[in-house]
Amino acid sequence: GAGVSQSPSNKVTEKGKDVELRCDPISGHTALYWYRQRLGQGLEFLIYFQGNSAPDKSGLPSDRFSAERTGESVSTLTIQRTQQEDSAVYLCASRQTNPGLAGGTGELFFGEGSRLTVL
Amino acid sequence: DQQVKQNSPSLSVQEGRISILNCDYTNSMFDYFLWYKKYPAEGPTFLISISSIKDKNEDGRFTVFLNKSAKHLSLHIVPSQPGDSAVYFCAANGISNFGNEKLTFGTGTRLTIIP
Repeated sequence: GAGVSQSPSNKVTEKGKDVELRCDPISGHTALYWYRQRLGQGLEFLIYFQGNSAPDKSGLPSDRFSAERTGESVSTLTIQRTQQEDSAVYLCASRQTNPGLAGGTGELFFGEGSRLTVL
Repeated sequence: DQQVKQNSPSLSVQEGRISILNCDYTNSMFDYFLWYKKYPAEGPTFLISISSIKDKNEDGRFTVFLNKSAKHLSLHIVPSQPGDSAVYFCAANGISNFGNEKLTFGTGTRLTIIP
């Protein structure tokens, strides 16, 4: 498809287990973001990849969280030793760089999210 | 440090009336602002944006106003329709500490249109 694809759409896991979430961005989009939304909360920034630059990891809540991206394609978000407070919808988004160029809207395209439930 | 703030977590508006959603920001270096709409169990979708060099952008029923001196923007929806009921996120584009473009989101406002 032409949109941002995330998998799995739903994941239920036991406390202490590791989980891996996957994001396929839109082809050609150099910028990729991970956000999470906990129940009743807003969008919480986690990590941001921009081309070959060092990622901005300033939003990762603890060292149990890590993310990788292969070039300008797939990204994986890994949560080790999951805790109940990790339960949330994890959203991936991508966009082209320089939103002000060529009349661009700066639009960020979101996937439908991966809902993680930690029991 | 919440650089983008949406101080109203919820708003209810009668169908047909105007909905006004507000957003405040603290970073004067933000150069682009966007509004996103989110339905339950779906990812946010882009609604409308505005460059910092403008003070108004209109698209159909949706208009975004930017007041740079007050560091404030607002989204106006008129007339409001039941399908507009959703969570609305304000976002601002700026340069991260890593020198790259970065979007920062507010915490969202849940809009409910009353038939």
